[in-house]
This record gives sequence, structure tokens and C-alpha cells, in this order.
Amino acid sequence: RKEVEQDPGPFNVPEGATVAFNCTYSNSASQSFFWYRQDCRKEPKLLMSVYSSGNEDGRFTAQLNRASQYISLLIRDSKLSDSATYLCVVDKGGGFKTIFGAGTRLFVKA
Amino acid sequence: DAGVTQSPTHLIKTRGQQVTLRCSPISGHKSVSWYQQVLGQGPQFIFQYYEKEERGRGNFPDRFSARQFPNYSSELNVNALLLGDSALYLCASSLLAGIYEQYFGPGTRLTVT
Repeated sequence: RKEVEQDPGPFNVPEGATVAFNCTYSNSASQSFFWYRQDCRKEPKLLMSVYSSGNEDGRFTAQLNRASQYISLLIRDSKLSDSATYLCVVDKGGGFKTIFGAGTRLFVKA
Repeated sequence: DAGVTQSPTHLIKTRGQQVTLRCSPISGHKSVSWYQQVLGQGPQFIFQYYEKEERGRGNFPDRFSARQFPNYSSELNVNALLLGDSALYLCASSLLAGIYEQYFGPGTRLTVT
């Protein structure tokens, strides 16, 4: 089993749709979780941290489910500019190693 | 404020050669991490440095090494290049060591022929 797994997609959604991605992780000792977005041939950009109590930033909501070991990202009212690859990031559990998922590709269509 | 900068932007090397990549973190950030990203995959963690000391290392061979300087900039060195080392090398800076929000530079695209 991979340490961090994401559905590669692609997710094709119309503008205005709500879309959700999940990311599962294998190490129950992991403590830090993040979502990044990466545009084609660009560097990853931090989207949001994921806290135990959840986190909301405008149209984006991130949640953590420790019992089932996954984090989720919900995007409401999708915009064309949301088209990107969404990467989840998890710490390895103790120490200073971060693990990126392979990413979920999102295409938002007019 | 300037973001994370990396140089060079692109690089072409031959198998067996050595390469040095450079990174300057965001002003005030003391930690630098290096990642390798191949097409279709997420970035793979190589190293984290904080206050000039290695704080974390990923599963990469000893051909990969790095260091951090007193001004917190960093270099990544790769010896005896293999074709499989062709990738985008990303540098990320964060305020502290450990797992915090990281801010990435534009990367160095290395091609090994």
C-alpha cells in the first residue's frame, strides 16, 4: 500500500459544480496535512493546511478523518481557474519527511 | 518580498557528470527542503536542512548531497548522473524545521542525456 494515495482523476466538472477529492494515508502517526495545487509545468502552491477541526477558506473546505486516515478537499462553485492538479501532503510520522500524493487532476469546463 | 529563487532554470547534462543546483529561500525562512518531481508523480522528498544541519533525508542514493549556508541558501549536488535523474528539482522554504507550510521555487529542470 502506498503511504499516500489519491485518485488520479481526471475529474471533469462544469463551472459552478461542487467537487470533492479524498486522500488516504497509511501512517497513523502522521500529524501534519496540507493541500497544494500545481498548475501544468509550474511549482506546487500551498492551498491550505488541514486541521483536526477542519479548515475553510472561501470556496475551499478541507477536513481530516483520523479514524479512517484520510483528508478531503471540497471545492464549491468551481471556476475555470480551479483547473489544476491537487496534491495532498502528509508527514511521515515523526521526523522531518513529507510525502506527497501523486495528485488529482481537475478540469473545470465552461 | 521575493519568493523562493532557484538557479539554473534548465540544465542539460551527460550521464556520469555532476550537477549543482542552487536555492535561496524566502527572507526570514530558515529551512530549505529539496524535492525531485518526475512527470505524472508528486514531488519526492530528498532533504530538509535547518540552520545548516540536515534534519531529514528521503530514500535517495548517496550520489545526492546538499548543504545549507549561513545565509540559509542551499545547494543540491548530484554526482554520477543517471538518465533516471532527469526531473524537475524543487526547492521549498519554510519558517522552521519540521512539517510546516512550505513555499516552492519554480524549480530546475534537469535533463540527463
